[in-house]
Amino acid sequence: EIALTQSPGTLSLSPGERATLSCRASQSVSSSYLAWYQQKVGQAPRLLIYGASGRATGIPDRFSGSGSGTEFTLTISRLEPEDSAVYYCQLYGTSRNSFGQGTKLEIK
Amino acid sequence: EVQLVQSGAELKKPGEFLKISCKGSGYSFPGYWIAWVRQMPGKGLEWMGIIYPGDSDTRYSPSFQGQVTISADKSLGTAYLQWSSLKASDSAIYYCARRYYYYDRSGYAFDIWGQGTMITVSS
Repeated sequence: EIALTQSPGTLSLSPGERATLSCRASQSVSSSYLAWYQQKVGQAPRLLIYGASGRATGIPDRFSGSGSGTEFTLTISRLEPEDSAVYYCQLYGTSRNSFGQGTKLEIK
Repeated sequence: EVQLVQSGAELKKPGEFLKISCKGSGYSFPGYWIAWVRQMPGKGLEWMGIIYPGDSDTRYSPSFQGQVTISADKSLGTAYLQWSSLKASDSAIYYCARRYYYYDRSGYAFDIWGQGTMITVSS
């Protein structure tokens, strides 16, 4: 079973700064199946990035994804207060789907 | 508007039966897989299983196999998650989500999510 490990666990940054969130897979995976989700307090998750780097409909271009193999990154440039949330990476598979444990992003 | 609307919060006792629902609208419901995801209090997301409403082909996470039953009624445009005998540890928020295939990246993701159903199991 492939495990996803996200780091850091918590990130505290100021508005206007850049956030870099990491997702590491326990073995090499296809970037086609790597997605990122944002979950704000009391809300359902929202798809941000699919296929490691494709931006979902309606997602601002401040959000970008990159990576391949075992290392994937979600970058949020020019942080805004509403970016405060937990961010999850996910690997889609035919019979199981792994979510990372999440990175909590706090905006100071 | 494409959306998934889930049934309301439930307060149940241990050992009781429960079936919650997820109704799709704004798209061809039978043609897209629907997944169920658990979120225990203060914890992360866990994938439980997935169903194709067109033919009810269903896959379960090994962690949830035998613990829950996923079903769908394509004529009603609704997917279901049920427990035959609830436990206190089933207390959580449950989300349904639509699987979508992105041709430009040749991959899948969950693009539409229901609002979640909170289940509380307590004696």
